[in-house]
Amino acid sequence: GQNIDQPTEMTATEGAIVQINCTYQTSGFNGLFWYQQHAGEAPTFLSYNVLDGLEEKGRFSSFLSRSKGYSYLLLKELQMKDSASYLCAVRDSNYQLIWGAGTKLIIKP
Amino acid sequence: DVKVTQSSRYLVKRTGEKVFLECVQDMDHENMFWYRQDPGLGLRLIYFSYDVKMKEKGDIPEGYSVSREKKERFSLILESASTNQTSMYLCASSWGESSGANVLTFGAGSRLTVL
Repeated sequence: GQNIDQPTEMTATEGAIVQINCTYQTSGFNGLFWYQQHAGEAPTFLSYNVLDGLEEKGRFSSFLSRSKGYSYLLLKELQMKDSASYLCAVRDSNYQLIWGAGTKLIIKP
Repeated sequence: DVKVTQSSRYLVKRTGEKVFLECVQDMDHENMFWYRQDPGLGLRLIYFSYDVKMKEKGDIPEGYSVSREKKERFSLILESASTNQTSMYLCASSWGESSGANVLTFGAGSRLTVL
């Protein structure tokens, strides 16, 4: 079966760095997405990886290793507004998205 | 900015009632999707549509139907609501091309409670 695993919840301190991991087992691979979802709001797109390596976008970076079925989202200089759930999704060989359950990130002052 | 608007943020219905959830997008996207989001589970695809009057079943279509009579509007219908359909429903849209960074734009969600 297809499976995406991410930690359920993480806690970090304002100003620090946090890494949210995502491991996947899917039927084929056509890209990996990270979305951010604040409580009660719509998920919004953060990043897309299709080749191995690191994609940097401001304070956020996303890494992919296709051979290991692994990705992480790195958030630097954490701000209180980064408190949200972070959703990992993989597009499979049929170009359908398989979603992880999300990681709730709690930022403490 | 692409906007996806879901008509109702909160609904409370009784078992057996017919429920309509409406979704409208304003960027001429070809693709539209209905997901449900439950605690501890990833988003699950109910139905999607690649074109007007076209629909495809997702992973959990049982108990649901959809309608896409106009490109901008995609409706989710619960013919006879049941308590296990209590959930957050998310509508999303995207451009037609499935490859590349074809990003989904989501609505804010409709939280349905079935009593």
